[in-house]
Amino acid sequence: GESVGLHLPTLSVQEGDNSIINCAYSNSASDYFIWYKQESGKGPQFIIDIRSNMDKRQGQRVTVLLNKTVKHLSLQIAATQPGDSAVYFCAESVFNAGKLIFGQGTELSVKP
Amino acid sequence: GAGVSQTPSNKVTEKGKYVELRCDPISGHTALYWYRQSLGQGPEFLIYFQGTGAADDSGLPNDRFFAVRPEGSVSTLKIQRTERGDSAVYLCASSLGGVGSKNIQYFGAGTRLSVL
Repeated sequence: GESVGLHLPTLSVQEGDNSIINCAYSNSASDYFIWYKQESGKGPQFIIDIRSNMDKRQGQRVTVLLNKTVKHLSLQIAATQPGDSAVYFCAESVFNAGKLIFGQGTELSVKP
Repeated sequence: GAGVSQTPSNKVTEKGKYVELRCDPISGHTALYWYRQSLGQGPEFLIYFQGTGAADDSGLPNDRFFAVRPEGSVSTLKIQRTERGDSAVYLCASSLGGVGSKNIQYFGAGTRLSVL
């Protein structure tokens, strides 16, 4: 599992580059996954979700990839902008269980 | 329409005191969730309501924590005999449905609780 601590993994990218944020999930029974973006002082904001019967889903500038074999989730952000700077969390759930289990989070820093 | 609203945005209290945190979900959302977020970590689940009833309270850390949703809309998280370790941001989320439906949870900005 992921280590827990005060220091988040950090990804630093140049404006205009593509970003890839990775997440390992823990529960083989999880069948629904969500990516959230959290800016300082705000609550998590929904970005994109995917169910386990899919391995890829695209949104506006974002793509989520799911690899159930290795329990890995990734978020790709195309043409990263300074406004994308935030902490990104993946979350997993069993579809009919309600609660979300969040990963540790990755801090994305975009340099202009 | 309005998003999830949480009040107060900040709460400072003394060790041993009682606090109440309020959450107004998005209108029409039947499911409501409470999470707690410590610095540098992801939100941790506390309790989930479907309508007026607590469908899952497995995340409540101990019996000092209690939550209600008497009319199936507004919810109050209650913490008795607060301890310094309770200091965190308490987040509320709501979704259209709970069990068996797509579970996109929309979050409020949170209440930052500081126990001195």
